Amino acid sequence: QSALTQPASVSGSPGQSITISCTGTNSDIGSYDFVSWYQQHPGEAPTLMIYDVRNRPSGVSSRFSGSKSGSSASLTISGLQPEDEADYYCAFHTSLTTMFGGGTKVTV
Amino acid sequence: QVELVESGGGVVQPGTSLRLSCAASGFIFSSYNMHWVRQSPGKGLEWVALIWYNGGNTFFADSVKGRFTIFRDNSKDTLFLQMNSLGVQDTAVYYCGRDSPSGGIDVWGQGTTVTVSS
Repeated sequence: QSALTQPASVSGSPGQSITISCTGTNSDIGSYDFVSWYQQHPGEAPTLMIYDVRNRPSGVSSRFSGSKSGSSASLTISGLQPEDEADYYCAFHTSLTTMFGGGTKVTV
Repeated sequence: QVELVESGGGVVQPGTSLRLSCAASGFIFSSYNMHWVRQSPGKGLEWVALIWYNGGNTFFADSVKGRFTIFRDNSKDTLFLQMNSLGVQDTAVYYCGRDSPSGGIDVWGQGTTVTVSS
């Protein structure tokens, strides 16, 4: 499995919506819904924001949503807030391995 | 509360070995698959290894295969990463993480830093 492709950076103003893409292949994202998204602030551990393409863990704001089309997944942050400024990583998980995207720096 | 606490990091010379530990609390450790994930300075997340809940199966990234071993002691709620033949490319913060049956890694430790330098 090769790495997932994300844009290096995305920026937006407070209140706006942004979308981060995560491109895989027909063998991974294109075939299964095992896509997760993680938020990581500087110096901190990652936090799970979305699992199985579009599901939010308890406690994660509804401003975060996930979707998938073909072999690409997306994370949308609505109503952008200053605390959303962080690095975001997509991942594809199976019972045998995990593959991360290169990460996207979100600037608010 | 659910918590993972890593330990064992440090500064080591190339070619040497190091063992990391991850102490789990607040959940039934023996019911969960567990991961190690690392992050080199200024870089992204890199998956390292996975062990099934009963230790019966282990899987590794190509970059560490044959050098690293993952194992667990379910009687002590502890996960381990044995790292041998360390190289400068292994310098990173190492995180342990709980594999959620619903999907993703839902609990992460705070990380432990490994620096390989001569």
